[in-house]
Amino acid sequence: QVQLQESGPGLVKPSQTLSLTCTVSGGSISSGGYYWTWVRQHPGKGLEWIGCIYHSGTAYYTPSLKSRTTISIDTTKNQVSLKLNSVTAADTAVYYCARGYSYGTAIYDSWGQGTLVPVSS
Amino acid sequence: QSVLTQPPSVSGAPGQRVTISCSTSSSNIGIKAVNWYQKLPGAAPKLLIYSNYQRPSGVPDRFSGSKSGTSASLAISGLQSDDEADYYCAAWDDSLSGVVFGGGTKLTVL
Repeated sequence: QVQLQESGPGLVKPSQTLSLTCTVSGGSISSGGYYWTWVRQHPGKGLEWIGCIYHSGTAYYTPSLKSRTTISIDTTKNQVSLKLNSVTAADTAVYYCARGYSYGTAIYDSWGQGTLVPVSS
Repeated sequence: QSVLTQPPSVSGAPGQRVTISCSTSSSNIGIKAVNWYQKLPGAAPKLLIYSNYQRPSGVPDRFSGSKSGTSASLAISGLQSDDEADYYCAAWDDSLSGVVFGGGTKLTVL
């Protein structure tokens, strides 16, 4: 049973870079046709897809965040990372990593527990 | 405003059946498979229905999904208090090469 765990700083200051890591255990990040995704949920709001990456390193981003977002993969550490630049209070959210079943679907069968990242000075 | 439209809330009494709709006018999504997630407060989303009507192992058959054209539905029968949660539909959008979520529907068990 694959497990995902997000980690990162508890607080980020405005204009700084939000950096999160998703560590995958119980399976290789580069096996199968899976892809790895970041999703966030603003307080009291719905789910927002941020972007995804394949073990090849090819990444896709939602247009509204594309200019500020980088998702990378480290197959040696079995980790996926998210970097979001120039954050503001509007980026305060719970950030989740998830495993996508295959490209072209919205099937996420495994999720991390999520990590709340407040953006505040 | 999400390209997938869900009602903000639905409610039902224990034992009853409720349905949650998910519709789109987008041609990029209209023919795509729809998936449903259950989101409890403080918990990660849980895959409830995938590929319009398939249930992952462990999901009770009280939960069922359907899709017709550009609309999909999640039905929950035999409502239980534990079903009180937010429910989201999700689909792949070719124009984004990414995923769109519906705005979410809050289910209240009366």
